Amino acid sequence: GENVEQHPSTLSVQEGDSAVIKCTYSDSASNYFPWYKQELGKRPQLIIDIRSNVGEKKDQRIAVTLNKTAKHFSLHITETQPEDSAVYFCAASRMRFGAGTRLTVKP
Amino acid sequence: EAQVTQNPRYLITVTGKKLTVTCSQNMNHEYMSWYRQDPGLGLRQIYYSMNVEVTDKGDVPEGYKVSRKEKRNFPLILESPSPNQTSLYFCASSFSGTGRQPQHFGDGTRLSIL
Repeated sequence: GENVEQHPSTLSVQEGDSAVIKCTYSDSASNYFPWYKQELGKRPQLIIDIRSNVGEKKDQRIAVTLNKTAKHFSLHITETQPEDSAVYFCAASRMRFGAGTRLTVKP
Repeated sequence: EAQVTQNPRYLITVTGKKLTVTCSQNMNHEYMSWYRQDPGLGLRQIYYSMNVEVTDKGDVPEGYKVSRKEKRNFPLILESPSPNQTSLYFCASSFSGTGRQPQHFGDGTRLSIL
């Protein structure tokens, strides 16, 4: 079955810096890669996703890149703000999730 | 408003006392699933359902049951809860089970089994 590994498990950055979270997957048939943000005490919510026919997708300060050959995809957050502090989860196709990354943005 | 509704939000109970966590979605989604979230382990899938009367095991199904008699409802049943089932549970739904659509999560149910 699908295996999704996510790194790092924790990430601390200064406000205004960039943050990058990386996930690798094992099933080459996977073709959909969403990212979810979970604020403290709340439910995970989709922030961006990418399909396998696209290499990169951007939405304001957030971008996702996909390397199908290497089977990895990454979340990039630029100009981080304190409200970006949360746990971020990646997932692959049939909703196997990574273990999560706790991002802390220090003011 | 499109949403996934779970009840209860919080429950403290004792070992062996059967309990049911309800989940309902109003988006006419075919696919529904249950996850448990534990520190450091992320979201692990317990059971999922591709459509009415179709359910299947996820990664951690032991000790849980589900049913899908109606499209909108997907209850999670713990027949004989044990302390290792203390966790935060999320129900989720998506338009289909192809794995190519995002999931919509409920607000979560925090279960404590004493």
